[in-house]
Amino acid sequence: KAGVTQTPRYLIKTRGQQVTLSCSPISGHRSVSWYQQTPGQGLQFLFEYFSETQRNKGNFPGRFSGRQFSNSRSEMNVSTLELGDSALYLCASSPGPGQSYEQYFGPGTRLTVT
Amino acid sequence: KNQVEQSPQSLIILEGKNCTLQCNYTVSPFSNLRWYKQDTGRGPVSLTIMTFSENTKSNGRYTATLDADTKQSSLHITASQLSDSASYICVVSYIGKLIFGQGTELSVKP
Repeated sequence: KAGVTQTPRYLIKTRGQQVTLSCSPISGHRSVSWYQQTPGQGLQFLFEYFSETQRNKGNFPGRFSGRQFSNSRSEMNVSTLELGDSALYLCASSPGPGQSYEQYFGPGTRLTVT
Repeated sequence: KNQVEQSPQSLIILEGKNCTLQCNYTVSPFSNLRWYKQDTGRGPVSLTIMTFSENTKSNGRYTATLDADTKQSSLHITASQLSDSASYICVVSYIGKLIFGQGTELSVKP
């Protein structure tokens, strides 16, 4: 089976712009979770989607949003980018909802905001 | 506040030696505790997942232990290899979310 894929792998944006990141889960997996990883804060949970519905959300401002499509692919959008949004954004897929299932992470999208 | 704290922050060992990484958590209630390995530039890879009732779990040279009473977990690596050089992250599942520790950066030297 192919693993979790994320596109693009690297991205450079300027402050105030918006960005959309994409995640394709492992075939058959219906849950996708998004995480932000920075050197200072480590890994932090953004949100989880299952069957096109957001099930859980972390403590991030409303500038961070996401969605999931009927084929389980997911997108994450960040509007009005700030310098502090520079991070590695990881998505993870799992067969079912919640955190009882094993999660499989993608390689991440490295976002740099200048 | 629900937290996961790991120690040491970084560790250097010689190839072939054993080491133990620590994880203390204050998360309650929790569903499961996981250990992930993250190589530089890559996403984390799951090593072990333990539920509340399990107190040890092995995956090859990796053995995780859990003491739910003291809220402590450890990851023991046996006969380390150069490829074990990575960040090891302890994660606690809490009401549908994952709370991550800051990780221990392990460097295995020849």
